[in-house]
Amino acid sequence: EPEVTQTPSHQVTQMGQEVILRCVPISNHLYFYWYRQILGQKVEFLVSFYNNEISEKSEIFDDQFSVERPDGSNFTLKIRSTKLEDSAMYFCASRRPGLAGGLPRETQYFGPGTRLLVL
Amino acid sequence: GENVEQHPSTLSVQEGDSAVIKCTYSDSASNYFPWYKQELGKRPQLIIDIRSNVGEKKDQRIAVTLNKTAKHFSLHITETQPEDSAVYFCAASPSGGYQKVTFGTGTKLQVIP
Repeated sequence: EPEVTQTPSHQVTQMGQEVILRCVPISNHLYFYWYRQILGQKVEFLVSFYNNEISEKSEIFDDQFSVERPDGSNFTLKIRSTKLEDSAMYFCASRRPGLAGGLPRETQYFGPGTRLLVL
Repeated sequence: GENVEQHPSTLSVQEGDSAVIKCTYSDSASNYFPWYKQELGKRPQLIIDIRSNVGEKKDQRIAVTLNKTAKHFSLHITETQPEDSAVYFCAASPSGGYQKVTFGTGTKLQVIP
């Protein structure tokens, strides 16, 4: 069964440095998402992306964050100048387009996550 | 925006007993409600979902109920097994559109052998 993949699995960086987190969504999926989960807390929505543009973003997703789909397979999240509070697990997710039984395909499939630690 | 409340935050049950996790949501536009299981350090895995045009759905030992009027939905796990131990998240999402998923705060379920 196809799965969403993410690299790296762990990333340690110094405060103020730029990081790029990479995701390869499932190949026939067209909707892409980033979520984050601070240790011991719930999963929080960051951004959704469709048709090569951001479709929705949360208040967490400020000017320090950006997303890109540089080619037909990768989906990246960039944090320009990391802060201590950016330390979290970052999950990518993707979703199929179209309908199933006349209803939208809602299920989002999550990648294994990148654990980011900012020192 | 949507707000999903979940309780209890922790739940311990004896193996073979049932476990019930309850959630409420605030946005009447939400009509898709997935439940995710997350083992330590792993990705959230969808275990069951329900749409607002359905009041109950069952898949083997797992069932979900939805009361759209009261904006309540619940997860029921029967005949619990030690491998059911994990954190469970309820979530809500509007169908259609870009479907941001709003997660609950999670329930840590421990099944005691």
